[in-house]
Amino acid sequence: GDSVTQMEGPVTLSEEAFLTINCTYTATGYPSLFWYVQYPGEGLQLLLKATKADDKGSNKGFEATYRKETTSFHLEKGSVQVSDSAVYFCALLTGTASKLTFGTGTRLQVTL
Amino acid sequence: DADVTQTPRNRITKTGKRIMLECSQTKGHDRMYWYRQDPGLGLQLIYYSFDVKDINKGEISDGYSVSRQAQAKFSLSLESAIPNQTALYFCATSDPRSPYNEQFFGPGTRLTVL
Repeated sequence: GDSVTQMEGPVTLSEEAFLTINCTYTATGYPSLFWYVQYPGEGLQLLLKATKADDKGSNKGFEATYRKETTSFHLEKGSVQVSDSAVYFCALLTGTASKLTFGTGTRLQVTL
Repeated sequence: DADVTQTPRNRITKTGKRIMLECSQTKGHDRMYWYRQDPGLGLQLIYYSFDVKDINKGEISDGYSVSRQAQAKFSLSLESAIPNQTALYFCATSDPRSPYNEQFFGPGTRLTVL
């Protein structure tokens, strides 16, 4: 079945550091890929998305590129801020059920 | 703003009680979903509905039931709550006409079963 594997957290970075959160997937067919972010006490917000190979999703300084050859969708940001502290979920969408399969989430803590 | 809302936001109940969680949306989306979030497990799909007359089980539907009262409303019920149903519950919606078919989530309901 479909699955998503994310790097385990927590990830602790200083402000302005470079961020990479790894995400790899296993899926039948050609999935759409997403990153969601969950700020403390809130629901999930869609951060960025991509539907085909080599698509680059970007939003709020975050980027991720759909790599079919390595089945990956790593999240990157060049300079993190304290306000980026949250849990980040990688997810894929396949099939007629439009079922989202989530990774287990990676907690990011950014300090001054 | 078009939105997804959930009530209640927090609920504490006792084993064996019946409880209903409600979800409403003003996005005009046909598709609605209920997910459960447990620490370290990501989100798991409980039920989903593609329209008012279409209800489908997800991967962890045992112990839950749903009702799609209208396009905008989708309720989740626990007929007899048990402690291992303590979790964070999310409702989501999507529009199949969107090229990405992305899902939009409500703020969540934190349920504790004692």
